[in-house]
Amino acid sequence: GESVGLHLPTLSVQEGDNSIINCAYSNSASDYFIWYKQESGKGPQFIIDIRSNMDKRQGQRVTVLLNKTVKHLSLQIAATQPGDSAVYFCAENLSNSGYALNFGKGTSLLVTP
Amino acid sequence: DTAVSQTPKYLVTQMGNDKSIKCEQNLGHDTMYWYKQDSKKFLKIMFSYNNKELIINETVPNRFSPKSPDKAHLNLHINSLELGDSAVYFCASSQRGNEQFFGPGTRLTVL
Repeated sequence: GESVGLHLPTLSVQEGDNSIINCAYSNSASDYFIWYKQESGKGPQFIIDIRSNMDKRQGQRVTVLLNKTVKHLSLQIAATQPGDSAVYFCAENLSNSGYALNFGKGTSLLVTP
Repeated sequence: DTAVSQTPKYLVTQMGNDKSIKCEQNLGHDTMYWYKQDSKKFLKIMFSYNNKELIINETVPNRFSPKSPDKAHLNLHINSLELGDSAVYFCASSQRGNEQFFGPGTRLTVL
């Protein structure tokens, strides 16, 4: 079936560098995408979202880019900090799903000093 | 002032038992969800409720029965627990199709 996937399962970056986490999706009908951060032992925490009528959205130190042509989503984290170490998930809304989200497999981000 | 809360946080039980997990949200949202996260961290939707009505049931065995007594609560009852039910269960809520807020999770271990 259609699914959301991630290019890299793990990503290691040095503190202060920028991080980029990528995500591919295959459901062309999806119109809403979200990035979540999950720390160990906690629930997913909302980072940033984007709707399909946009191609870029910025938050505090984070930027989400959406390329509908190639069905690609990315999360950029500027000046990565040790507190950014976590698993990151992209998610898309499911068509006719009652707003439920279809999650990708997750990327583990490790920030080293 | 927790937005989405779940109880218990940990649940250890024997195969064949029946157990419940409770979820409450104080955000005034109209939609609530249950997700299951397996040992590989894969998150999958189980149920979606909008205004106390079931909207989606994603191929979940009928041993799992969600109950929504009001818009702020969505409980999950599981009958005849099996080893494969061991996972972390997350409750979430949203106002329609907007961002979903997740609870802290309930780690279920079936022995």
